[in-house]
Amino acid sequence: GIQVEQSPPDLILQEGANSTLRCNFSDSVNNLQWFHQNPWGQLINLFYIPSGTKQNGRLSATTVATERYSLLYISSSQTTDSGVYFCAGMVTASGSRLTFGEGTQLTVNP
Amino acid sequence: NAGVMQNPRHLVRRRGQEARLRCSPMKGHSHVYWYRQLPEEGLKFMVYLQKENIIDESGMPKERFSAEFPKEGPSILRIQQVVRGDSAAYFCASSPSIRNEQFFGPGTRLTVL
Repeated sequence: GIQVEQSPPDLILQEGANSTLRCNFSDSVNNLQWFHQNPWGQLINLFYIPSGTKQNGRLSATTVATERYSLLYISSSQTTDSGVYFCAGMVTASGSRLTFGEGTQLTVNP
Repeated sequence: NAGVMQNPRHLVRRRGQEARLRCSPMKGHSHVYWYRQLPEEGLKFMVYLQKENIIDESGMPKERFSAEFPKEGPSILRIQQVVRGDSAAYFCASSPSIRNEQFFGPGTRLTVL
């Protein structure tokens, strides 16, 4: 199966700061998703982005499939952005399973 | 359109008991996936099912674990003779078609005493 590496593993920000989270894949993916796991443990879908760029409010994501990486941008961070951010990819050879990275733990301080 | 539903949200079992976790996919979704998240870890794939069929169970432990998705009713993840190492959050996801975006339920947090 594919390997998914996320960086940084931990990130501490002051409210209002911007950040970039990175996800590298060991193989080309045909499905890529970003999730936010909030402090209550719920997984929130952020983006479905096999390629290209998408934006949703203060969040945006870019996937460069040919170079096997994806970036998640958070602008003007808020304390409610705290939690763990996961990326997950799917390759044809692995059927329909998503392979998750280990996550980036984000803490936004007031 | 209601999201993926899972119940119970929290489940406590003693060692040796059985745990049954239920998942109702989003309306119109016929593909169901189960993932497990051990404490302080990422999510790991367990099994992929379509109605009445197990498509991929390569992530399931060989013993004590089973899954089904009957023609009627929710998908069930069953763990027999639970052990403390089974304590984890179990997430169900659904998608409208193969290799499409997966939507996750709120999870069932299993604690084995």
